[in-house]
Amino acid sequence: SQQGEEDPQALSIQEGENATMNCSYKTSINNLQWYRQNSGRGLVHLILIRSNEREKHSGRLRVTLDTSKKSSSLLITASRAADTASYFCATAGGNTPLVFGKGTRLSVIA
Amino acid sequence: DAGITQSPRHKVTETGTPVTLRCHQTENHRYMYWYRQDPGHGLRLIHYSYGVKDTDKGEVSDGYSVSRSKTEDFLLTLESATSSQTSVYFCAIRLGSDGDYGYTFGSGTRLTVV
Repeated sequence: SQQGEEDPQALSIQEGENATMNCSYKTSINNLQWYRQNSGRGLVHLILIRSNEREKHSGRLRVTLDTSKKSSSLLITASRAADTASYFCATAGGNTPLVFGKGTRLSVIA
Repeated sequence: DAGITQSPRHKVTETGTPVTLRCHQTENHRYMYWYRQDPGHGLRLIHYSYGVKDTDKGEVSDGYSVSRSKTEDFLLTLESATSSQTSVYFCAIRLGSDGDYGYTFGSGTRLTVV
């Protein structure tokens, strides 16, 4: 069963706007990761945040983690049409395999 | 994706036939994984490997077997394909053995069982 659940399932915004996606999970984790998947392609690793971190930045990406609420958010600032993709959160506990959520489909309209 | 290739990219097979998918890596990573992706389900783990001849089951392992006789190759076999195994299959490698690392995914194999 899925550990992470993304919200919303789908999101449509205009180019230049910010996009926020949320992820909730159920059990304790070592880290939480976000991936992007373009249509017909494999997943690409975007960013990893450890359980003892609260916020992390990478370019236009900002990830937050609240372990007390078992939730994370991914913010993409100044969205571009090229950001159109599905975004997945995945949780890791020790050496156990990543468990993925069902994803958020982001459409950025030019 | 760099360092990991899946073959074939597409396959159509008949119900009841065995099918083997191959994942090949060039970077000597210890951990390798097979996931399937279906609409409404996201990615679900089938099997994974933590070394040569060391494998374990995932969430949806029924009807699948795996083998890893060398570090670079991880094979997924559908012993007798069924229509419910029509899916996109992704192989992944973990970029490190200890600590916090992300995965690199292959481009996927689209399998259709008719």
